[in-house]
Amino acid sequence: AQSVAQPEDQVNVAEGNPLTVKCTYSVSGNPYLFWYVQYPNRGLQFLLKYITGDNLVKGSYGFEAEFNKSQTSFHLKKPSALVSDSALYFCAVLNSGYALNFGKGTSLLVTP
Amino acid sequence: KAGVTQTPRYLIKTRGQQVTLSCSPISGHRSVSWYQQTPGQGLQFLFEYFSETQRNKGNFPGRFSGRQFSNSRSEMNVSTLELGDSALYLCASRLSSGGHNEQFFGPGTRLTVL
Repeated sequence: AQSVAQPEDQVNVAEGNPLTVKCTYSVSGNPYLFWYVQYPNRGLQFLLKYITGDNLVKGSYGFEAEFNKSQTSFHLKKPSALVSDSALYFCAVLNSGYALNFGKGTSLLVTP
Repeated sequence: KAGVTQTPRYLIKTRGQQVTLSCSPISGHRSVSWYQQTPGQGLQFLFEYFSETQRNKGNFPGRFSGRQFSNSRSEMNVSTLELGDSALYLCASRLSSGGHNEQFFGPGTRLTVL
């Protein structure tokens, strides 16, 4: 079964510092990986995806993610965090039925 | 383009009742998926519809059903509501059923079962 794991329930970072939200995957074959962000009382917003090609994927709002096949990871990164980045972040993998299997989410708190 | 819209945004029902939620996908998108989000179980896939056909179904009881219309709008229905059905129900659309297309989510319908 295709699955992802987000090992951290919460990540705290000071504004202006780099941030990393971790995700590891367990799949058979080549993974299709996604990152979504959810703000309070809102749906999920797509940030970026890895299908194939370059291991460094650039997405919306200055976010990027690095696909690492040897470590089976797909960590989300941003060079300089903003207070407005505070939200719930979900990593997801596409399963064989084209549905998304989500991680449990990581709450990001950026403090001024 | 307008995003995915879901109606109603909030619902309060009592146990045993049934409920219908509606989703209008982004114009041109033919695939609609439904997800349930709860604090305990997280985000779980319910089903996907493409060209009015259910293409995939998650591990939910038969009380959960859905359909898609010729204009790609979709509804999901939950019958005989239970307290555990209280959740945020999210609809997502994508251009086609292909795996590489990202899904775009609506704001969700918050269902509370009393």
